[in-house]
Amino acid sequence: KQEVTQIPAALSVPEGENLVLNCSFTDSAIYNLQWFRQDPGKGLTSLLLIQSSQREQTSGRLNASLDKSSGRSTLYIAASQPGDSATYLCAVDQGGSEKLVFGKGTKLTVNP
Amino acid sequence: NAGVTQTPKFQVLKTGQSMTLQCAQDMNHEYMSWYRQDPGMGLRLIHYSVGAGITDQGEVPNGYNVSRSTTEDFPLRLLSAAPSQTSVYFCASSYSSTSRGYTFGSGTRLTVV
Repeated sequence: KQEVTQIPAALSVPEGENLVLNCSFTDSAIYNLQWFRQDPGKGLTSLLLIQSSQREQTSGRLNASLDKSSGRSTLYIAASQPGDSATYLCAVDQGGSEKLVFGKGTKLTVNP
Repeated sequence: NAGVTQTPKFQVLKTGQSMTLQCAQDMNHEYMSWYRQDPGMGLRLIHYSVGAGITDQGEVPNGYNVSRSTTEDFPLRLLSAAPSQTSVYFCASSYSSTSRGYTFGSGTRLTVV
């Protein structure tokens, strides 16, 4: 059974800092991996999607990498801003049963 | 705006009542699913559908019913609400190719008293 772990569970940084969020998964047979952002009381907003054949994806200040063989993905946020404060979730898509398996998220707080 | 629309946003039910959570998408996605999100448990799959007329159970299906009569709509029915069903419910959709990622609705916050 696929298990997704996100470390740390919570992170507090000063504004302007570069930071890395980690996601690990136990079964490397995945179709893709997706990073989401969730603001308090809100839905999930897709940030980046990495196909299993890709090593990384970039969008603005965000960069996500994928190492399928080691079961790891990282989300790099450059020059963090208070508006980046949210919970970040990673989810792996194994296809087949069309099921996303989520980590429990990392709650990020960026202090002004 | 294209996307996944969920209604209602908030709902309070009494134990034993039934209700339907609505989900609609206008992106012609074949795949739709329902998740519940609980503190400390993350998001868990309730039911999913790979196309009109086809549904299947996820990880936590008990107490919920679904049907998929059209590509656009995937309602979730609570048959007899219980306090354990107090949660935030999210609907998601994607193309069945699994190559383009998932789009989520804004959620329904349900409280059962």
